[in-house]
Formats: sequence, C-alpha cells, structure tokens
Amino acid sequence: QVQLVESGGGVVQPGGSLRLSCAASANYNMHWVRQAPGKGLEWVAFIQSDGSKTNYADSVKGRFTVSRDTSKNTVYLQMNGLRTEDTAGYYCARDLLGGPKDWGQGTLVTVSS
Amino acid sequence: DVVMTQSPLSLPVTLGQPASISCRSSQSLVHSDGKTYLSWFQQRPGQSPRRLIYTVSNRESGVPDRFSGSGSGTDFTLKISRVEAEDVGVYYCMQGTHWPRTFGQGTKVEI
Repeated sequence: QVQLVESGGGVVQPGGSLRLSCAASANYNMHWVRQAPGKGLEWVAFIQSDGSKTNYADSVKGRFTVSRDTSKNTVYLQMNGLRTEDTAGYYCARDLLGGPKDWGQGTLVTVSS
Repeated sequence: DVVMTQSPLSLPVTLGQPASISCRSSQSLVHSDGKTYLSWFQQRPGQSPRRLIYTVSNRESGVPDRFSGSGSGTDFTLKISRVEAEDVGVYYCMQGTHWPRTFGQGTKVEI
C-alpha cells in the first residue's frame, strides 16, 4: 500500500522560506498540489521518480524547487520568496496514468506577518 | 495553459437520483501516445482528494460502479447514476496531458 506523509508546514513571514517533505513508501513520480483555505485544488509541481524531470505551475516558477532524495524515498518542496497567496494546504501525491492517484494528508503553510 | 471549465459549480441533488458534471478543456486532451489523460477527483469535507476516474472512463479500484466517466477531445462528463449521502463533496476534473497540469474549479455536490 502506498504511504505518503507530508511534513514541514508552519507559519512564515512574507518573503520567507520553508521546505516541505513528503516521505513515501517507494520512489514514485510525484506531484505537489495545494489548496488555499476554502478554495479549489491547484497543481504546483511534478518530479519524476529519478529526479531527472521537473515541472512547475507558472505561479511558483522561479520561487519553488522540487527535489528528491531517492535513498530516503523522500520528495521536497523548497519554497522561497513566500507570498500571502501561497497560504494553503500542500499535498504530495503519487502520479499514475497521467494524474495524482494516491494523496497524503497534507501540511498547512501559512504566510503572514 | 489549458483551462478546465466545470459546470455547474453547485449541484443540489436528490438521494437516489442521477447527477452529472461537465468538464471542458480549452485544448484537446489527446496525448501524442493516443491516450486522453482526464481524471476526476472527489473531495469529501475535511478529507484529502481521492481519484475516482482516470483516462476519461476508468474507475479506480474500490470506486462504486454508480460513478462513470465519459467524453473525448475537449468535452467530458462525470455521472453518478443514483446519488447516495456519502457522495456529498466537491468534484474536480484534471488534465494530465499538457504541462502545467490544471484542475477545474470544482463542483460542490450537496443534498
């Protein structure tokens, strides 16, 4: 059974940085998806299982970086230059057949002064 | 970017009756490999999303057969044949053909 556990969320000031982690049961192609409070789902980033390919939403390109440590089955989302509009629950999800199939429980990021 | 447009955004339903959600994409979702990567997700209140349907019409394991997906090209539909109380939540379509991936706005299904 696929297990995904996010961590690293918290409160950060605008302009600050935070690194999210997603511990998985194996190395999968992975997505990050976020959801602002009371809002819909927004796709954020993708990383291939070997780390060779990444993709980003325009809203985070140049500020967020997705990476992984294959020895630890862990994916990271480094978030720099955080803005109030980045406040959201962040989910990692395993990709299968073109989309996120298995989802973690999410971790909350609050950007506020 | 591919824009995914769902309708309606709010769907009052009656238990035991059918329900239908439409999802339209601004570009064809047919991939160069011939597959169409359109998924449907259910998000119950307070829960993580759950994928119901992938590649337009394939149900995930454990998804009740009252859920079905159909469509092609740019027009897609999620149907619930007989709504049950546990189906309350928000439903999203998502395209997995083009980068960046994009979701629809969500359709809130309520009794």
